[in-house]
Amino acid sequence: QKEVEQNSGPLSVPEGAIASLNCTYSDRGSQSFFWYRQYSGKSPELIMFIYSNGDKEDGRFTAQLNKASQYVSLLIRDSQPSDSATYLCAVNPGAGSYQLTFGKGTKLSVIP
Amino acid sequence: DADVTQTPRNRITKTGKRIMLECSQTKGHDRMYWYRQDPGLGLQLIYYSFDVKDINKGEISDGYSVSRQAQAKFSLSLESAIPNQTALYFCATSDSTGAGELFFGEGSRLTVL
Repeated sequence: QKEVEQNSGPLSVPEGAIASLNCTYSDRGSQSFFWYRQYSGKSPELIMFIYSNGDKEDGRFTAQLNKASQYVSLLIRDSQPSDSATYLCAVNPGAGSYQLTFGKGTKLSVIP
Repeated sequence: DADVTQTPRNRITKTGKRIMLECSQTKGHDRMYWYRQDPGLGLQLIYYSFDVKDINKGEISDGYSVSRQAQAKFSLSLESAIPNQTALYFCATSDSTGAGELFFGEGSRLTVL
């Protein structure tokens, strides 16, 4: 059973701080990794993806991947109240698989 | 208008009733998916389809069936609804270049009494 684990939170950070969201996965052969943001009562939307070890930056968001340790993280710099949402980590095992495995999500609350 | 449209958005039904959730998309994507989301749980894949003639079971297909009526339409049926099928259901699409970027509909909240 392929698993994707996230701390459910809630994670509370003050406005302007860095929010750090973590995700671990069980399938060592996993190829690609995604972060989705889901506002309360809304549908998930993709905000970042990463395929290679290291960091990938997009604006205030940085995704970090360490395949050896089987974790992927999302850093949100200068957190804003509008970043308050649940963040879902998703993993594609690759090797011809087309099924994403989602974690349960981490709820982030940015306090003004 | 939303690129991925789900109907109905909310539905309350009784145990044993047949329910159909419909999804249509204007993104031109070949791939369509049905997911289920329960409170505090991740998204679970029910069925997916890569084209009109291709239907595949996901993690939790028991108790569900699907129909891909056209490239743009993918419906999910519960033949005989039961209370533990109460959940939020999402339809999603993706193009053929990868399986990671999913575009979700607004969701259909189903309550089975």
